[in-house]
Amino acid sequence: KNQVEQSPQSLIILEGKNCTLQCNYTVSPFSNLRWYKQDTGRGPVSLTIMTFSENTKSNGRYTATLDADTKQSSLHITASQLSDSASYICVVSGAYGGSQGNLIFGKGTKLSVKP
Amino acid sequence: NAGVTQTPKFRVLKTGQSMTLLCAQDMNHEYMYWYRQDPGMGLRLIHYSVGEGTTAKGEVPDGYNVSRLKKQNFLLGLESAAPSQTSVYFCASTYGVIGNEQFFGPGTRLTVL
Repeated sequence: KNQVEQSPQSLIILEGKNCTLQCNYTVSPFSNLRWYKQDTGRGPVSLTIMTFSENTKSNGRYTATLDADTKQSSLHITASQLSDSASYICVVSGAYGGSQGNLIFGKGTKLSVKP
Repeated sequence: NAGVTQTPKFRVLKTGQSMTLLCAQDMNHEYMYWYRQDPGMGLRLIHYSVGEGTTAKGEVPDGYNVSRLKKQNFLLGLESAAPSQTSVYFCASTYGVIGNEQFFGPGTRLTVL
């Protein structure tokens, strides 16, 4: 069964610290992996999209890595800010996406950044 | 550009009532989607559309109907609301499917009593 598992479920860090969120998936065949940020009460916003041939992709203080062999991805946040407090969702797209793109959503990691 | 907008933002219904959620996008996207998000669960696809006049079922379509009469609008209907449909509903759109970003609306919080 195609699944996307994220860890940890929740995380609290101090402002200025770094953190890494994990995403493991069993989707096969694989097309691409996306990380979204969802602020409380808002819709998800895309941070990165990576295909199977990409190992790393950055978006400001956010760096996503992908290991397609082990089916693992991570999202590293550098020098965290209070505004980073949000849920981070890992989404994997199967290769035979069809019209609906076959997007499999993880449950998200809730990050809280404290002053 | 407003992106993806949803109306209403909040709604409380009684069991058995009906309502329609409206999604609009101004990015000329072909593909539009309706998701629901429940606590402790990932986003789940309800229905989707690959173009004006077309709709298809997603993962959890029961109890919902949709219509895409205009390219920019995607409507989600609940004919007879049930407490199990209490959720936050998100609309999304994208230009293509593979490798293209989905743009999400701000969500509609629906409570069914």
